[in-house]
Amino acid sequence: AQKVTQAQTEISVVEKEDVTLDCVYETRDTTYYLFWYKQPPSGELVFLIRRNSFDEQNEISGRYSWNFQKSTSSFNFTITASQVVDSAVYFCALVPFWNQGGKLIFGQGTELSVKP
Amino acid sequence: EAGVTQFPSHSVIEKGQTVTLRCDPISGHDNLYWYRRVMGKEIKFLLHFVKESKQDESGMPNNRFLAERTGGTYSTLKVQPAELEDSGVYFCASSQDRKASGSNEQFFGPGTRLTVL
Repeated sequence: AQKVTQAQTEISVVEKEDVTLDCVYETRDTTYYLFWYKQPPSGELVFLIRRNSFDEQNEISGRYSWNFQKSTSSFNFTITASQVVDSAVYFCALVPFWNQGGKLIFGQGTELSVKP
Repeated sequence: EAGVTQFPSHSVIEKGQTVTLRCDPISGHDNLYWYRRVMGKEIKFLLHFVKESKQDESGMPNNRFLAERTGGTYSTLKVQPAELEDSGVYFCASSQDRKASGSNEQFFGPGTRLTVL
């Protein structure tokens, strides 16, 4: 089965706190791609990162970092020193390599609320 | 460069009526996808066009849904007749190149929020 689970439905933090959004995936494929998207209040999904299954290096982009661990099938997303503008719904997604059409398999999303 | 646009942004219709959603992908993008998010659940794939051809329509819920992409440019998704369970947010996305398209970034539109009463 191909599945993505984001167990945290809603998270609320106070500005400047660090927050980690969890993503656990299931796939039988050895080659696959993982994604994170952000959905701000304006509605469109904004691409944040793509990672392929052979690249387990963690990535940092400003206040954002991603921890990819194949051993636990997780691809967690951490926001350091959160800001009010980080408030959004965040989606983790999977594309198995065999799916040459590229359709994304999404998790349920985590709604992050950052309060001032 | 203009992003993916969708029209309308909101639609409220009564059960049994017909609604047509439109998506304009980024110019030059061969791949066009429709997705739907129902009631705060996960976003689910509906179908995928490559140019004007339906590549994968495995996610279409039933034959009340009809998608077209004439000329390989914009796409429409018609729901006829609409049912209560069709309510949700319909997203369109496009990506550029079909080679190893599993790795291609998909650019999403803002979605159409459909409410069926």
